[in-house]
Amino acid sequence: EIVLTQSPATLSLSPGERATLSCRASQSVSSYLAWYQQKPGQAPRLLIYDASNRATGIPARFSGSGSGTDFTLTISSLEPEDFAVYYCQQRSNWPRGTFGQGTKVEIK
Amino acid sequence: EVQLVESGGGLVQPGGSLRLSCAASGFTFSSYEMNWVRQAPGKGLEWVSYISSSGSTIYYADSVKGRFTISRDNAKNSLYLQMNSLRAEDTAVYYCARGHSSSWYDPPAWFDPWGQGTLVTVSS
Repeated sequence: EIVLTQSPATLSLSPGERATLSCRASQSVSSYLAWYQQKPGQAPRLLIYDASNRATGIPARFSGSGSGTDFTLTISSLEPEDFAVYYCQQRSNWPRGTFGQGTKVEIK
Repeated sequence: EVQLVESGGGLVQPGGSLRLSCAASGFTFSSYEMNWVRQAPGKGLEWVSYISSSGSTIYYADSVKGRFTISRDNAKNSLYLQMNSLRAEDTAVYYCARGHSSSWYDPPAWFDPWGQGTLVTVSS
């Protein structure tokens, strides 16, 4: 089973700052990685798929990069509504895709 | 507007059963693969089950295989999850989520959109 490890567990930043979130796979997942955002009490929302493709309606401040085992989600300038938990997900063993444990982006 | 609305959650005793429903609207339900994904309280996300657009192909996570049954009624634009032999560790918010493909030749491996979820609590 492919394990996704996200770091850091919590990121404390101020609005306007740049956020860099990491997701590392235990073995190569090629570019088959997605990122989701989840706000308290809400369902997750797809942000990025295939490592770097923004989903429909996702602002350009969100970008994804990486391939193989190391991936990054970057939020170029944090807006108040971006403070949330972010999950990565891989699909190399579809349909049994696994998720990372999440990174919480909190207001500093 | 694409919308998924789950229902059927609640409190059930260990060993009991529950049937979840997901009502879809705003898109051609019969053309899309669907999934159930769950989230235990304060925990991360776990894929539970997948069903193809016609219902002919079904997959389950090992943790629920033999206990849960996914199904769909395309005439009613609805997805279901029959949960039997429930355990405390099945306690979670259950989300239905539409499968999203990168292209026509890729599997619908991403989840977009998601419903708001329904809480299942297994406790005596």
